[in-house]
This record gives sequence, C-alpha cells and structure tokens, in this order.
Amino acid sequence: EPEVTQTPSHQVTQMGQEVILRCVPISNHLYFYWYRQILGQKVEFLVSFYNNEISEKSEIFDDQFSVERPDGSNFTLKIRSTKLEDSAMYFCASSEFGASTDTQYFGPGTRLTVL
Amino acid sequence: AQSVTQLGSHVSVSEGALVLLRCNYSSSVPPYLFWYVQYPNQGLQLLLKYTSAATLVKGINGFEAEFKKSETSFHLTKPSAHMSDAAEYFCAVITKAAGNKLTFGGGTRVLVKP
Repeated sequence: EPEVTQTPSHQVTQMGQEVILRCVPISNHLYFYWYRQILGQKVEFLVSFYNNEISEKSEIFDDQFSVERPDGSNFTLKIRSTKLEDSAMYFCASSEFGASTDTQYFGPGTRLTVL
Repeated sequence: AQSVTQLGSHVSVSEGALVLLRCNYSSSVPPYLFWYVQYPNQGLQLLLKYTSAATLVKGINGFEAEFKKSETSFHLTKPSAHMSDAAEYFCAVITKAAGNKLTFGGGTRVLVKP
C-alpha cells in the first residue's frame, strides 16, 4: 500500500540553525500538508500546499517557515532560524484531492530537537 | 471555529473488554469527523471517518463510531479489546468552512491489560 515517507526520523539542531524536513507524499496525491505536535500538546495544522502554492496556513506558520516542492516527488518544510519552541514532532500528510471528506495520509513524523 | 475534546488522556482496558473512547466536537457548520490511530514509531493511520452518510461508521480492526449531532459526539468503540489495540487514538474534525485543515483532539492513549 502506498505510504507517505519522511526523513530524517530524528533531527537535532542548534538554536538559530536552518533545518529542512523532507517528505515524499503518495505519488498521485495533489494536496500536501504539514502538522506538528509539541510534546504533550495537540497535533496542530501548519500549512497546506496545492499546485505549487500555499493553499492555507496557520498563525504558527510565520516568515521563519517555508515549504517547497523542489521536484516531482519531494515536499519540504524549511525552518530558517530554529528556536527552542520549534522542538516538536513534524508530520507530513497528503490527500488525493483537497476535499474536506478526503482522507489525509500521514507519514511517521520527524522529531525535531532544538538545543 | 472548530474544536475537538477527547475525554481521558489515558484509558486502561482488559483484553476482551469493551473499548470506549470519547470525542466531542464543536462546530457551527456540519462537520466531517475522523478517528486516527498511532502505533509506536508510526504515523497517524485512519481508522474511520464520518462524511455525512450513515451515522454509524465502521472502520478497520473492528472499530466503529457513531455520529450523534444532538450530543455533538463521535465516540469510538470496539466490543472486545486485543493486545494489538494498544496505541494512541486521535479524533479530528474538518469543515468546509475551515478549509482543508484537520483540527485534532488531545489524543487518548490506550493500554490493554492481559
């Protein structure tokens, strides 16, 4: 069964450094998402992406964050200058279309630790 | 605005006993509701979803959930727990008005005792 993959599984970085989290969505899916879960808190939406543009973003997704689909298979989340509070599990997801009833398929996550 | 509340961050059940995980939502427009499960070191996997068809929804691994509009609830049940059901379970809501972003509850971790 097709699945969403994410690399790396765990990333440790120093405060102020740039990180890029990578995702490979399911191949025929058109909508891509990033969510994050800070330890002990709810999974929260960051951004959705369609047709090489941001479709929607949350208040969390400020200028320090960016997303890109650099080629036909990868979808990346970049944090330009990491802060301690960026430490979280980051989940990538994809859906075939963008309808509210579509299932969003999630990857296993990347645990980001900012020191 | 949409929101989800899951009662109980941890639930312990005996193998063979009923599993009941509670989810209440808040939405001013008709919601679509989802239950996801997360096994250790894995991603969120869809168990089932309600998309305004039948109010009783059957999912994978013997789970089902019933949408009750009058109670704004979407509780998840399984008649007989297996050891393999030990995982974290997340209820989530989405509405057309809120775009295509899922809003999650806090999750319920299920422990199954032999």
